[in-house]
Amino acid sequence: GESVGLHLPTLSVQEGDNSIINCAYSNSASDYFIWYKQESGKGPQFIIDIRSNMDKRQGQRVTVLLNKTVKHLSLQIAATQPGDSAVYFCAENGGGGGFKTIFGAGTRLFVKA
Amino acid sequence: GAGVSQSPRYKVAKRGQDVALRCDPISGHVSLFWYQQALGQGPEFLTYFQNEAQLDKSGLPSDRFFAERPEGSVSTLKIQRTQQEDSAVYLCASSLVGGRREGEQFFGPGTRLTVL
Repeated sequence: GESVGLHLPTLSVQEGDNSIINCAYSNSASDYFIWYKQESGKGPQFIIDIRSNMDKRQGQRVTVLLNKTVKHLSLQIAATQPGDSAVYFCAENGGGGGFKTIFGAGTRLFVKA
Repeated sequence: GAGVSQSPRYKVAKRGQDVALRCDPISGHVSLFWYQQALGQGPEFLTYFQNEAQLDKSGLPSDRFFAERPEGSVSTLKIQRTQQEDSAVYLCASSLVGGRREGEQFFGPGTRLTVL
């Protein structure tokens, strides 16, 4: 079946360090991927997306890498700040004909001051 | 400049009761999604609307779940004869463009449903 999962359920980093959050997906037909950030009591917030015809995309302090060969996605956050503490989800569109977005279980990022 | 709003924010229901959860998407957004998020899990897709048309309801877990968006704006998710396993946060999201399986979704804060 379809699944999007994460290697590490929790990640603790020192303020100012770089963070890397990893994600594996199983549906090779997926052609669009998104990273979301969710703070406690709030809905997910879009961070960055990438289409399958790209292997890297950069935003402000964030970079998403896509390796289609091993079906792996990562989110890199530069100079991690306390405000980055949240749960991060990767998601895929499943590649099928529907409109389903498939979310992984999430990684909790703790930033130590 | 309001975002997506949902009401109520919290709902406690006795098992067997019917509940109705409301979503007000961003004005002008064509696409509207409903998700169910269990504690400690990622959101699970329930259903998708493009304007008033429900184009994908493949995620609805049973026929006790029903969603509508009659005028292509506000949407209601109704759960009949609630059961304890329905306890979760119900998230609504909207997106500007319809008919595509990509694009930024703007999420509301969710409704936390607790079934006793």
